[in-house]
Amino acid sequence: DTAVSQTPKYLVTQMGNDKSIKCEQNLGHDTMYWYKQDSKKFLKIMFSYNNKELIINETVPNRFSPKSPDKAHLNLHINSLELGDSAVYFCASSQEGMAGIQYFGAGTRLSVL
Amino acid sequence: AQKVTQAQTEISVVEKEDVTLDCVYETRDTTYYLFWYKQPPSGELVFLIRRNSFDEQNEISGRYSWNFQKSTSSFNFTITASQVVDSAVYFCALSEGIGGSYIPTFGRGTSLIVHP
Repeated sequence: DTAVSQTPKYLVTQMGNDKSIKCEQNLGHDTMYWYKQDSKKFLKIMFSYNNKELIINETVPNRFSPKSPDKAHLNLHINSLELGDSAVYFCASSQEGMAGIQYFGAGTRLSVL
Repeated sequence: AQKVTQAQTEISVVEKEDVTLDCVYETRDTTYYLFWYKQPPSGELVFLIRRNSFDEQNEISGRYSWNFQKSTSSFNFTITASQVVDSAVYFCALSEGIGGSYIPTFGRGTSLIVHP
């Protein structure tokens, strides 16, 4: 069983579109995250969310919004996609909040044309 | 603010060589956690090790070893007798356990290439 699964694996879309990436974890963890990895492999956290609190990296445009229907899911919605949004997006989860070991999904490669 | 520096962008070695990946961090907190993750060419990120700020004991796991030194704010990672399968991007990360922004910070990664 995949611990952290995200779909789709690849996403190709046009500028201006709205898209979503789904993430599910079956580890029973209390915290989930979204990261963006650019072409130079720089890994930047976008959001951290547990059942109590959403922590947003203030540099993330408000076109990006996380949505958590329940503790095991944290989906990423992106409105009005831009060329600069092209990257690999990783979902992760951990227990013990920020001190926890993070388990990552396989990544979603987003290409905005 | 917390910060993680991996000064080595890319390291290239020949199989069986030993290699050390450097990681230097900055934090104002006394309680924090340090991590190493591996990202092989397939793309997934895999956890390797976690240390908390109160435990400076070095750790060895097979061919991997880690040297944590608070005096120099470093958490270096050594691979002994490197193998082609060790080729990957390695990330050092810092998470503050008390106070701070509670947002984990990753270094920019070191790409290790092991040639046969």
